[in-house]
Amino acid sequence: DQQVKQNSPSLSVQEGRISILNCDYTNSMFDYFLWYKKYPAEGPTFLISISSIKDKNEDGRFTVFLNKSAKHLSLHIVPSQPGDSAVYFCAASVPRGSEKLVFGKGTKLTVNP
Amino acid sequence: EAQVTQNPRYLITVTGKKLTVTCSQNMNHEYMSWYRQDPGLGLRQIYYSMNVEVTDKGDVPEGYKVSRKEKRNFPLILESPSPNQTSLYFCASRGGLAGFYEQYFGPGTRLTVT
Repeated sequence: DQQVKQNSPSLSVQEGRISILNCDYTNSMFDYFLWYKKYPAEGPTFLISISSIKDKNEDGRFTVFLNKSAKHLSLHIVPSQPGDSAVYFCAASVPRGSEKLVFGKGTKLTVNP
Repeated sequence: EAQVTQNPRYLITVTGKKLTVTCSQNMNHEYMSWYRQDPGLGLRQIYYSMNVEVTDKGDVPEGYKVSRKEKRNFPLILESPSPNQTSLYFCASRGGLAGFYEQYFGPGTRLTVT
C-alpha cells in the first residue's frame, strides 16, 4: 500500500513557465512533508518542506501548498529554468519518535529552453 | 567539508556472496538511514538508526542487516545477495535536533547482483 503517491512519472514545461508537481498521501498521521530534488549520479538534496499545521511555504521560486482535507500537496516552481530539470520526490514523516520517511515514486521534470 | 561518503560507488557481485556497503558521515549526526531506489518505485527506506546501537527496520528490511557500533559509521550488510537486491543504494544522516530538511544523502552505490 503506497502511502505517498506521485501519479505523474514525468512533466515537461517551457523555460519561464510554471511547473506544478503533485503528491497525494493516505496516512493522516503524517505531520511533515518534504520535497527532494535529485540529479543523475547524485544523492537527493532537500528542496523545501511544510509542516502539517501550515498550508503554504515559499522559498524563492519554490512554493509548496498543502491541502490537508484532500491529503494533497503540490510544488510550484516559478519561473522554471533548465537547471530545474531533475527528478522530484515528495516525502512524508510521522510525528517525532520515528525516523521513518516515506517517499513517493518521483516525477521527472524537464524544462525546455 | 560536511559529507556522507559511501563505498564502493559501484559493485557487481554474484548471488550468495556476502558484501558490505560502508557509509560514513563527518557531521557527528545521531540519525542515519539506508534507502534503495528502484525504477518506478522511488526511494524506500531499508533500515535506520537513531544512535549508536539503536537500529530499526524501515519499509523493506528483508535480506539486509545493519550495525551502528560507532556514531559516524552505518554499514549495510547483504549476507546472501540475490538479483532482486540489484538497486541504487543511498545512505543519509541528520543531527538529532535537526529536521529532515537537514538530512544529507550520500552519492549512492549502484549494486548489481548476477
